[in-house]
Amino acid sequence: GESVGLHLPTLSVQEGDNSIINCAYSNSASDYFIWYKQESGKGPQFIIDIRSNMDKRQGQRVTVLLNKTVKHLSLQIAATQPGDSAVYFCAENTSSTGRRALTFGSGTRLQVQP
Amino acid sequence: GAGVSQSPRYKVAKRGQDVALRCDPISGHVSLFWYQQALGQGPEFLTYFQNEAQLDKSGLPSDRFFAERPEGSVSTLKIQRTQQEDSAVYLCASGTGPGNTIYFGEGSWLTVV
Repeated sequence: GESVGLHLPTLSVQEGDNSIINCAYSNSASDYFIWYKQESGKGPQFIIDIRSNMDKRQGQRVTVLLNKTVKHLSLQIAATQPGDSAVYFCAENTSSTGRRALTFGSGTRLQVQP
Repeated sequence: GAGVSQSPRYKVAKRGQDVALRCDPISGHVSLFWYQQALGQGPEFLTYFQNEAQLDKSGLPSDRFFAERPEGSVSTLKIQRTQQEDSAVYLCASGTGPGNTIYFGEGSWLTVV
């Protein structure tokens, strides 16, 4: 769902479980996607990115899946740890426009229960 | 190595006061961005520099906002005659070039009272 002001969608998981955070985008021309993690009081931290010529990319404990047909992006975190608790943002760019700015989604708060 | 550095980290300004926020990008990074983040929201684009050239300022909300990067490294975001709605975190990010990953600083938290 959409966030309004302080009411970010929240995903609560148990430590050790896998987490899946979802993001929908609207621009079918978007061709570069990034996931950022933002802890309280800090700037966004790069996690993983994917270009539109791929549908899956894996990093350390994280996997990003891209479904261009339904314009959906997901971030999977394996064996979630308390240190993963943060707000997660997806961001996208459309390189064909020549515009360099990223457009961010509204964010999902991940809470990891010990 | 050193990341993106921003100062001041916290600034309280009286309404009508001018403020200047500084960004030291990662050394050698060509691209530099400024974003504004309201509480509970995602960052919103303000402006983009490639070296010293300001190539996109479409996100600046009004002519009270001005950014510069005169020597292609350090950048300053200036807000004139601050208003309460300017209260936000101002994030700077830098990258090695167009289309490459950008890295954010910790932000400058501005509160206008």
